Amino acid sequence: EVQLVESGGGLVQPGRSLKLSCAASGFTFSSFAMAWVRQAPKKGLEWVATITSGGSNTYYPDSVKGRFTISRDNAKSTLYLQMDSLRSEDTATYYCAIFSGAYWGQGTLVTVSS
Amino acid sequence: NIVMTQSPKSMSISVGDRVTMNCKASQNVGNNIAWYQQKPGQSPKLLIYYASNRYTGVPDRFTGGGYGTDFTLTINSVQAEDAAFYYCQRIYNSPTFGGGTKLELK
Repeated sequence: EVQLVESGGGLVQPGRSLKLSCAASGFTFSSFAMAWVRQAPKKGLEWVATITSGGSNTYYPDSVKGRFTISRDNAKSTLYLQMDSLRSEDTATYYCAIFSGAYWGQGTLVTVSS
Repeated sequence: NIVMTQSPKSMSISVGDRVTMNCKASQNVGNNIAWYQQKPGQSPKLLIYYASNRYTGVPDRFTGGGYGTDFTLTINSVQAEDAAFYYCQRIYNSPTFGGGTKLELK
């Protein structure tokens, strides 16, 4: 059974950093591109980052480019999202997903507030 | 950047009705569109990929169509459990979501 389990969310002050993790199991993690998608409270879905299967290529929207970094450890079947210089508008539930969209985690809530 | 626009923003439908919702891309995206269903408190679920391919386990009352810039998701004989938000997404290295359509049951 495919499982994606996010962790690392919480309350953080504006300007600070936070690192999310996503532990994957039930599939060959190293064979799949992965993504992070977020959803602000009562809002729609927003793509945050994509990483290719080997980790050599990454993609970001302008809203997070230069502040967020996606990475992966294929030996540990784990996806990461390093979030720096956090802003109040980054408050959201963050989901990790296989890039095809077939599987999603349950999400982890990040709240940026003083 | 390609913008995905969904319409209507919300719709109220009776059980058994047929409903069609729309997704318009600001540029030609071929058939690189996916549709997701999201219920409150849950993660999104993939319904349709590459515009018209139903994902494994998705009931056949869900049908995707379109090509280029205009896409549709049709639900034939809506069931109570279909009440949800529906999102289209451009399939690409830099994917973009539409703003969503809320489907409510009368």
